[in-house]
Amino acid sequence: GAVVSQHPSRVICKSGTSVKIECRSLDFQATTMFWYRQFPKQSLMLMATSNEGSKATYEQGVEKDKFLINHASLTLSTLTVTSAHPEDSSFYICSASVPNEQFFGPGTRLTVL
Amino acid sequence: AQSVTQPDIHITVSEGASLELRCNYSYGATPYLFWYVQSPGQGLQLLLKYFSGDTLVQGIKGFEAEFKRSQSSFNLRKPSVHWSDAAEYFCAGGGTGTASKLTFGTGTRLQVTL
Repeated sequence: GAVVSQHPSRVICKSGTSVKIECRSLDFQATTMFWYRQFPKQSLMLMATSNEGSKATYEQGVEKDKFLINHASLTLSTLTVTSAHPEDSSFYICSASVPNEQFFGPGTRLTVL
Repeated sequence: AQSVTQPDIHITVSEGASLELRCNYSYGATPYLFWYVQSPGQGLQLLLKYFSGDTLVQGIKGFEAEFKRSQSSFNLRKPSVHWSDAAEYFCAGGGTGTASKLTFGTGTRLQVTL
């Protein structure tokens, strides 16, 4: 149980395009999901907290107009990287939260050319 | 500010040797503490967690961790390392509840030599 999926696992796009990443909790419901960004050989940095039915809460320094988060249901949150640029290339990981624990997705590797 | 520190960036051990990965936390109160493992290009897998009670916590894959309040530490141990344990290990701390954020340490990369 407690499986979280992410789609796509890997995406390559051209600079200026938008990319949507989906995060799904497959066998449980999560009112809260988190989005992290991980640069090579570095730790996870929390980008935003996604709450079902309400606006996401962004961490300091994260551009909310660039990283659009939608949490439309208790099992799905999406992260859209708008007008992507090469500096947005990274590994994006989501997690779905239950009381006192987070379950992590397998991550999405975004490469912007 | 809340923080989690992993002093060792990279550790190399021989297969069969014992392992200890260090983690120190700085929180106003005792946080919930977690150890995760990440293989290259993969997400995070929970090894074990500490909320309260017994300070020695058993996890998956033969790992254990000991919470020491006096040292603000939550070190991860394994008595005999296998080559498949080579990965990145993250210590994390958080509060209670579903919306509690996790603060991650910088990670320790474990290399296992045969």
